[in-house]
Amino acid sequence: AQSVTQLDSQVPVFEEAPVELRCNYSSSVSVYLFWYVQYPNQGLQLLLKYLSGSTLVESINGFEAEFNKSQTSFHLRKPSVHISDTAEYFCAVTPPSGGSYIPTFGRGTSLIVHP
Amino acid sequence: DVKVTQSSRYLVKRTGEKVFLECVQDMDHENMFWYRQDPGLGLRLIYFSYDVKMKEKGDIPEGYSVSREKKERFSLILESASTNQTSMYLCASSLSIFYTEAFFGQGTRLTVV
Repeated sequence: AQSVTQLDSQVPVFEEAPVELRCNYSSSVSVYLFWYVQYPNQGLQLLLKYLSGSTLVESINGFEAEFNKSQTSFHLRKPSVHISDTAEYFCAVTPPSGGSYIPTFGRGTSLIVHP
Repeated sequence: DVKVTQSSRYLVKRTGEKVFLECVQDMDHENMFWYRQDPGLGLRLIYFSYDVKMKEKGDIPEGYSVSREKKERFSLILESASTNQTSMYLCASSLSIFYTEAFFGQGTRLTVV
């Protein structure tokens, strides 16, 4: 079984400031890691994912996340946020194959970008 | 692009009504999921299906049932709606057991009065 902890329920930040949204997981097996974003009144959409290879993954809109196996973390970062980044962000994990392929989601972090 | 379509964005139903939430995906995905989203609780899995006519309970199945008669369609049924089922409901699909990502519908906000 695996679990995901998003340490901050809400992160307020000013526009153009850097931001980090934290995600820690626990699992007895290796996992795939995901960040999803949910804009107001919409469903979730994939932001980025780590499956294997380079531990630093990037999205097309400037977010990046680094897989740290020793710390079991997958924190999401952006060097300079925009008003349009205001959204709910969910971290998720799932085993690569076999057994349960059901993703486990964190409780979400609300990123609020102020002008 | 993969598209997951939920039949309604907003629904208002009365206590005791039988409610059907419909979800259709157009990418021949094997897996489909129903989640419930509530503030502070994140996404909680209600039911999932890994094949036609196959279904498994998730974390909070009580008060719900599902139907998957065709591969592309996964329905969530509230047998007798109650006010504590007022929530945002999200449908999702993924390709196969070799999971790489889920594709979500836009959500249905259900209010039970």
